[in-house]
Amino acid sequence: QKEVEQNSGPLSVPEGAIASLNCTYSDRGSQSFFWYRQYSGKSPELIMSIYSNGDKEDGRFTAQLNKASQYVSLLIRDSQPSDSATYLCAVNPEGPSGSARQLTFGSGTQLTVLP
Amino acid sequence: NAGVMQNPRHLVRRRGQEARLRCSPMKGHSHVYWYRQLPEEGLKFMVYLQKENIIDESGMPKERFSAEFPKEGPSILRIQQVVRGDSAAYFCASSPWGLGGEQFFGPGTRLTVL
Repeated sequence: QKEVEQNSGPLSVPEGAIASLNCTYSDRGSQSFFWYRQYSGKSPELIMSIYSNGDKEDGRFTAQLNKASQYVSLLIRDSQPSDSATYLCAVNPEGPSGSARQLTFGSGTQLTVLP
Repeated sequence: NAGVMQNPRHLVRRRGQEARLRCSPMKGHSHVYWYRQLPEEGLKFMVYLQKENIIDESGMPKERFSAEFPKEGPSILRIQQVVRGDSAAYFCASSPWGLGGEQFFGPGTRLTVL
């Protein structure tokens, strides 16, 4: 059974702080990792993809991947109230040029950014 | 620049009726996935399709649920004889070949079974 685990939260941070979201996965062969943001009552929105060990930055978001530890994280710098949402970690066994496969999702971490 | 389209956005059915959910993938995408999100739960994979082929239906309940993606037209998720436990948000996602499986989600269909 392939599993993706996330702290369910809720996680509260003050506006302007760094929010840190964590995810672990059980399938050591996983190759592709994604973070989705889901506002209440809306659909998941892809915000980050990462395939190699290390950090990947995109604006205020930084994804970190450590395949040896089977760990992926998302940092949100200068958090804003508009970042308040549930963040979903998703894992794919295939690499960047591989065939499409189903994603396995964690249960999500609810983030609240307090003004 | 249309994204993934789903309709209807909201669907109400009585127990025992049929529900049909439709999904049109993003332009240029040939892979369609259906996921279900029960209240207060995570997204669970149901089925993966390409045109005229079901590739993986390992997440689909064995009875009452079926899916298709015909050569022409949208993908359809069909639920026969709905029960209250089918009430959920059903999301469709699409992806092109490759890109490490990046999937882009539609707005979802919220199914309520009375």
